[in-house]
Amino acid sequence: QVQLVQSGAEVKRPGASVKVSCAASGYTFTTYDISWVRQAPGQGLEWMGWISTNNGNTNYAQKVHGRVTLTRDTSTSTAYMELRGLTSDDTAVYYCARGNYRSGYEYWGQGTLATVSS
Amino acid sequence: QSVLTQPPSVSGAPGQRVTISCTGSSSNIGADYDVHWYQQLPGTAPKLLIYVNSNRPSGVPDRFSGSKSGTSASLAITGLQVEDEADYYCQSYDSSLRVVVFGGGTKLTVL
Repeated sequence: QVQLVQSGAEVKRPGASVKVSCAASGYTFTTYDISWVRQAPGQGLEWMGWISTNNGNTNYAQKVHGRVTLTRDTSTSTAYMELRGLTSDDTAVYYCARGNYRSGYEYWGQGTLATVSS
Repeated sequence: QSVLTQPPSVSGAPGQRVTISCTGSSSNIGADYDVHWYQQLPGTAPKLLIYVNSNRPSGVPDRFSGSKSGTSASLAITGLQVEDEADYYCQSYDSSLRVVVFGGGTKLTVL
């Protein structure tokens, strides 16, 4: 069965970086794009960006552009999201999701809570 | 504020029917980009409920249905059940912003 398993919770200081992994299994990794979506406490869903697992092409939301980098490792079927220059506004649960804007996101990771606090 | 507008909350009694609207503009839903709906139970990841406007993934009860017209879309839930109490989000694509957009979410309360 399709699974996306994310790395564990993180606590970071303001100004630091966080890197979250998303390990895919149960399907051919390079067949589907991966997007990253975050959700601040008590807030709605915010799309951060997308990576083509096939060729590595990326597209980022303007709000995080310049601070976020999406990468993937096809040898381990793992996608990564790195966010730099963290502020308290970046405290959120970060999700990876398989799919794209055309088909929707059918499979989601369990979420990774990243807390930014001094 | 979100690019796609949803009511913050809706409610209904068990067995009733409720609808949740998702209003966009000419650069997203009105530009013929499809709409998808997600259900998020407390403390869990979102679950795809409706894809491409009106299609249900395997395992989603037919009590859930979606539609799209013009610059808006709607999610209808019939035969409300207590377990339907959750947050619901619509999602599309915006060609002006060149990003995936979500609605602000609607909290469904089953009275």
